[in-house]
Amino acid sequence: DAKTTQPPSMDCAEGRAANLPCNHSTISGNEYVYWYRQIHSQGPQYIIHGLKNNETNEMASLIITEDRKSSTLILPHATLRDTAVYYCIARRSGNTPLVFGKGTRLSVIA
Amino acid sequence: DAGVIQSPRHEVTEMGQEVTLRCKPISGHNSLFWYRQTMMRGLELLIYFNNNVPIDDSGMPEDRFSAKMPNASFSTLKIQPSEPRDSAVYFCASSPTGTGNTIYFGEGSWLTVV
Repeated sequence: DAKTTQPPSMDCAEGRAANLPCNHSTISGNEYVYWYRQIHSQGPQYIIHGLKNNETNEMASLIITEDRKSSTLILPHATLRDTAVYYCIARRSGNTPLVFGKGTRLSVIA
Repeated sequence: DAGVIQSPRHEVTEMGQEVTLRCKPISGHNSLFWYRQTMMRGLELLIYFNNNVPIDDSGMPEDRFSAKMPNASFSTLKIQPSEPRDSAVYFCASSPTGTGNTIYFGEGSWLTVV
């Protein structure tokens, strides 16, 4: 699976959009971009994933560049409960595991 | 849906004792994963199963660790004998078959070996 690079930490003001970047310059054509988050002491929580097109669900939006070498997770209106470690993972299609890096620690500040 | 269910949620045991962690995947899911999380090493994949068959156990740290999946609704991770360095949070996760499928995690089993 392709390696991903994320900033170690970010801050965001409550109510503002949180934009979390991820670089995956070596991603291959059959690898999806997945985002998970882990709130302290809990299991990783699925947020969103995509292959080529931008995706949106009730939690977030995922913007993937046309060359697929990077992506951005957008939390449109961050709340204090969004404080967590966010993981960007490139994962091959099929029944393959997730390989976690160190992620980005997002702190939402009141 | 009940989600992935793990037990026990917390366990404290003495060095040398056997530890058994249990996992019930989401009904209908064909793949099951065991992860371990520590401050030093982050989230590591230990082993995963597809259709109850172990596919990759290269992440299992030592022979003291073993995992089984006797049927589609149950899996165990056993540590025998346990050591203090095994103290960690152990997560079980499951996913259905298919392209672009999502993996869902349980809440973890917190293990402390003293």
